[in-house]
Amino acid sequence: GQQLNQSPQSMFIQEGEDVSMNCTSSSIFNTWLWYKQDPGEGPVLLIALYKAGELTSNGRLTAQFGITRKDSFLNISASIPSDVGIYFCAGPFYGGATNKLIFGTGTLLAVQP
Amino acid sequence: NAGVTQTPKFQVLKTGQSMTLQCAQDMNHEYMSWYRQDPGMGLRLIHYSVGAGITDQGEVPNGYNVSRSTTEDFPLRLLSAAPSQTSVYFCASSADSLYQPQHFGDGTRLSIL
Repeated sequence: GQQLNQSPQSMFIQEGEDVSMNCTSSSIFNTWLWYKQDPGEGPVLLIALYKAGELTSNGRLTAQFGITRKDSFLNISASIPSDVGIYFCAGPFYGGATNKLIFGTGTLLAVQP
Repeated sequence: NAGVTQTPKFQVLKTGQSMTLQCAQDMNHEYMSWYRQDPGMGLRLIHYSVGAGITDQGEVPNGYNVSRSTTEDFPLRLLSAAPSQTSVYFCASSADSLYQPQHFGDGTRLSIL
C-alpha cells in the first residue's frame, strides 16, 4: 500500500543545533502535514502545506512542500530540550473505498541539554 | 477546551476479554477516526465516521467494532482481545474531511496478556 518514508528514523543532538528531516512519497500529494507527538500524548499539528514550493514557518520550525509534490521537509532551528518528541509527516491518500490521511513512521528527536 | 477526550489512559486485558475504548469530542466535528500506533509503523486507520450513524472500515479493521450514535461520541470495541492488539490507540476528529488536519486525543495504552 501507499507509504510515506521519513528520515532519519532518529536523531540525537545537542541543544542549540539545527535539525532537518524529510518525508517522501511514491505518489503526488496535494497536502503535507507535520505533527509532533510529545511523550505520552497525542500528535499535535505543527504546520500544514497546501501548495508545491510553499515554505511555511511556525516559530523556529520551517516546513517546505517539495516542488515534485512527492516530498516535504521540516527544519528546526536552535533546538531546545522541549523539542524532544516524535515528528510525523502525513498526507491525504485517495484510493479505493477510503480517502484518508496516511502517516510516516516518524522521526524520534532527542535533545541533550 | 477539552478537545478530544479518551478513556481510559491505560488498560491491561487478558486474551479473549472484550472492552470499549471511549472517545468524546466537544468541537462539533463531523469526522472522527480511530488509529493505532505501533513501533516503526506510524499511525494506521482502524475505523472512521463521517457523521452520526455512519461508520466505515479503515486500513486495519479486523477485531474492532465502532458505532456513532451521536456527533460527540465514537467508541471503539475490542470483541475478543488478542496479543496482536497491544498498541496505543488514538481517537481523532476533524471538521472538514477525513484527510484534513486531525485533532488527536492523548491515547489509550492497551496491553493484552
